Amino acid sequence: GESVGLHLPTLSVQEGDNSIINCAYSNSASDYFIWYKQESGKGPQFIIDIRSNMDKRQGQRVTVLLNKTVKHLSLQIAATQPGDSAVYFCAENINTGNQFYFGTGTSLTVIP
Amino acid sequence: DAMVIQNPRYQVTQFGKPVTLSCSQTLNHNVMYWYQQKSSQAPKLLFHYYDKDFNNEADTPDNFQSRRPNTSFCFLDIRSPGLGDAAMYLCATSHGMNTEAFFGQGTRLTVV
Repeated sequence: GESVGLHLPTLSVQEGDNSIINCAYSNSASDYFIWYKQESGKGPQFIIDIRSNMDKRQGQRVTVLLNKTVKHLSLQIAATQPGDSAVYFCAENINTGNQFYFGTGTSLTVIP
Repeated sequence: DAMVIQNPRYQVTQFGKPVTLSCSQTLNHNVMYWYQQKSSQAPKLLFHYYDKDFNNEADTPDNFQSRRPNTSFCFLDIRSPGLGDAAMYLCATSHGMNTEAFFGQGTRLTVV
């Protein structure tokens, strides 16, 4: 599989603060990226995606930034809430196939 | 309503005894994936189908096989489970390249 890594394995934030989760990928042929949220004992849940022809995409309280030059993407969560506590994964889709490869994950803990 | 359904949610099998995990989808997606996720790790792609075309990852052990008898169903067969195969097994589907992958809730496999 391809290498998709995360800089920070754990992150703790105060409720109401903004969170930033980072991800590095290694394959320059990757052209589609997804951030997933995974709660304990459950399957990954789609949060937001971005294609390689964009450098920013916004959703409800979440923003994904893509820097293709340095092969880096980030997930920003505004006004983090206790319900945001979970493990967050980035996943990449390489333009030669249907495979999704996951990064190592960041465990986000929101302190009330 | 669940769109990717995995049964059972929990499976206990004996060391060396073949076991089959099931996945079904109501999305009519072309692609079905199987991932293995061990504790505190990222999901690892085992293989995927695009329609009837099977695509194995290079590092997937021969002990893992898959069948897709029709669009809706996909099975993961573990021919001789070892203790190291205990994990969460996740099924996902997508319409195709550069489209969101939807995950089931997973089957947690215990090998005794």
